[in-house]
Amino acid sequence: SAVISQKPSRDICQRGTSLTIQCQVDSQVTMMFWYRQQPGQSLTLIATANQGSEATYESGFVIDKFPISRPNLTFSTLTVSNMSPEDSSIYLCSVETSGTNTGELFFGEGSRLTVL
Amino acid sequence: DAKTTQPTSMDCAEGRAANLPCNHSTISGNEYVYWYRQIHSQGPQYIIHGLKNNETNEMASLIITEDRKSSTLILPHATLRDTAVYYCIVNNYGQNFVFGPGTRLSVLP
Repeated sequence: SAVISQKPSRDICQRGTSLTIQCQVDSQVTMMFWYRQQPGQSLTLIATANQGSEATYESGFVIDKFPISRPNLTFSTLTVSNMSPEDSSIYLCSVETSGTNTGELFFGEGSRLTVL
Repeated sequence: DAKTTQPTSMDCAEGRAANLPCNHSTISGNEYVYWYRQIHSQGPQYIIHGLKNNETNEMASLIITEDRKSSTLILPHATLRDTAVYYCIVNNYGQNFVFGPGTRLSVLP
């Protein structure tokens, strides 16, 4: 298993500003994922972040809007840039633990973002 | 797009078994069936997964039909704390997980 901590847990931001969300894992993991969950909706994958390489973005998400860093095997950040009210969502960090061969994901508690 | 279909919502009486169905008629031979749940205001939680055999752990049982085109998640004695959205996901190890809308299970006192 893995324990994932996200910061901030929630924030209220002004339109046009940017916010960086941090994800810290208590063990080294190869694959980290960032999801978005809009109000009342299911989860949508934003990107996959592997240490030592550029993040891979899903269709509809671009690096300029959601830059991601992955400096080591236990940490990642997601920045939501130039925010608009449509970016109001819960952003979730997830990891796939290496070596278990189960493919199961562990999630953080999410960062609830409200853009005014 | 999600490769599964689930009922939008279900109710279950507390203490009874909750049986949550999932259809995955296009599943391929090397794809697993995963179940997750998301309790309100929390991140999703892994429950169980299987390939073709039935599986059981401390949380639930997973029954997969012989043709693998459908499965059922069983919570043997549902409690109020099991009220959540349950997601059935078909995935091959190494692929990205695609979450559908899931089933909103309400456990009633």
